[in-house]
Amino acid sequence: QSALTQTASVSGSPGQSITFSCTGSNSDIGSYDLVSWYQQHPGKAPRLIIHEDSKRPSGVSDRFSASKSGNTASLTISGLQAEDEADYYCCSYSGGGGPLVLFGGGTKVTVL
Amino acid sequence: QVQVQESGPGLVKPSETLSLTCTVSSDSFTSGSFYWSWVRQPAGKGLEWIGRIYASGNTNYNPSLKSRVTMSVDTSKKRFSLKLNSVTAADTAVYYCARVVAAPVYFDNWGQGTLVTVSS
Repeated sequence: QSALTQTASVSGSPGQSITFSCTGSNSDIGSYDLVSWYQQHPGKAPRLIIHEDSKRPSGVSDRFSASKSGNTASLTISGLQAEDEADYYCCSYSGGGGPLVLFGGGTKVTVL
Repeated sequence: QVQVQESGPGLVKPSETLSLTCTVSSDSFTSGSFYWSWVRQPAGKGLEWIGRIYASGNTNYNPSLKSRVTMSVDTSKKRFSLKLNSVTAADTAVYYCARVVAAPVYFDNWGQGTLVTVSS
């Protein structure tokens, strides 16, 4: 089972909105409402920012939002801030016979 | 507040066994609403799911690692462990333990990670 496919890198200026995607298959993203997203700053552990496709845990800024269409999930960061510069990973449960959990390869967000 | 903390040797020789332990400070350790996972990340690369274990001892492993992985749990000490045998340089990575909310399958608490280097 291949990893989920993510946009490699995205950049934006402070205050802008950016959106990047995570593509899977009918065995994972397309079949379950179980996409989660994680933010990872250099040298730090990943941090949960979205679960169950679009739910935000308490304490996570409402500048982070997510959606899904078919086999592709997307994460939007609105009002981009310097602190948003990080790597972002999508994750999905998979019933495809491979690993039960798949991660994307990560998207590097750069704030210009 | 749930805390999970990895511990174990930072250097393992090729062909030997990598052994890590994750200690959990949470009364949720034995709750069926959660399970416990290991995830690794080679330097400069993405996250790879290694496997999961319930407090009951039930396990599931990544098929790519299944032949070399064993996970175990000690509920009395609120610990779970990872053993990966026959390691090579390709197993060099930061290893994270994490709590997973079971039904929706998301990782809500992560350890800080521990770097394991495979080298002679």
